[in-house]
Amino acid sequence: QKEVEQNSGPLSVPEGAIASLNCTYSDRGSQSFFWYRQYSGKSPELIMFIYSNGDKEDGRFTAQLNKASQYVSLLIRDSQPSDSATYLCAVNAEAAGNKLTFGGGTRVLVKP
Amino acid sequence: NAGVTQTPKFQVLKTGQSMTLQCAQDMNHNSMYWYRQDPGMGLRLIYYSASEGTTDKGEVPNGYNVSRLNKREFSLRLESAAPSQTSVYFCASRAGAGDGYTFGSGTRLTVV
Repeated sequence: QKEVEQNSGPLSVPEGAIASLNCTYSDRGSQSFFWYRQYSGKSPELIMFIYSNGDKEDGRFTAQLNKASQYVSLLIRDSQPSDSATYLCAVNAEAAGNKLTFGGGTRVLVKP
Repeated sequence: NAGVTQTPKFQVLKTGQSMTLQCAQDMNHNSMYWYRQDPGMGLRLIYYSASEGTTDKGEVPNGYNVSRLNKREFSLRLESAAPSQTSVYFCASRAGAGDGYTFGSGTRLTVV
């Protein structure tokens, strides 16, 4: 079992719809969780972080964390073609020496 | 602020040649990391430096060496390049445990 798992996609959503991305992790001691966006040929860019159970909203992005079920999700509201990218989930895992462990990423395609 | 600066951006090496990838950050971050990213393999940690004066192996250290020259700079050296080291290399840094990483723009390396 991978430590951080994501569906590779592609997740195809129409423009204006909500994109829902999920990520599960194995280390129950994980304390901080991050979502990165990576455009093709570019480096990962941090877009959201969440530390506590519940929802955290930032503009069109909402991160949701459920530590009991060991999953973190990212919602993108009013999806735009410019949101087409690969989204990486990263977890700060104590078992990994407090380094970030990355999932394989979910590719999102927003169609006009 | 420049953030994390990587040089060079592109490089072609012949098998057996050596080279050093440079990374510098101007954010006064304590920890620095070197990753490689290959299609279908995600981000894999090569080496990291939790603080100035320390370095540790990551998931895929074979064929690489690192030097944490000072708090700002963390270099990655390929002593004898092999085609299997063809990849995109990212340097990242963060202030402390629990924080997200800031990535450099990457080095696209091809070994022929």
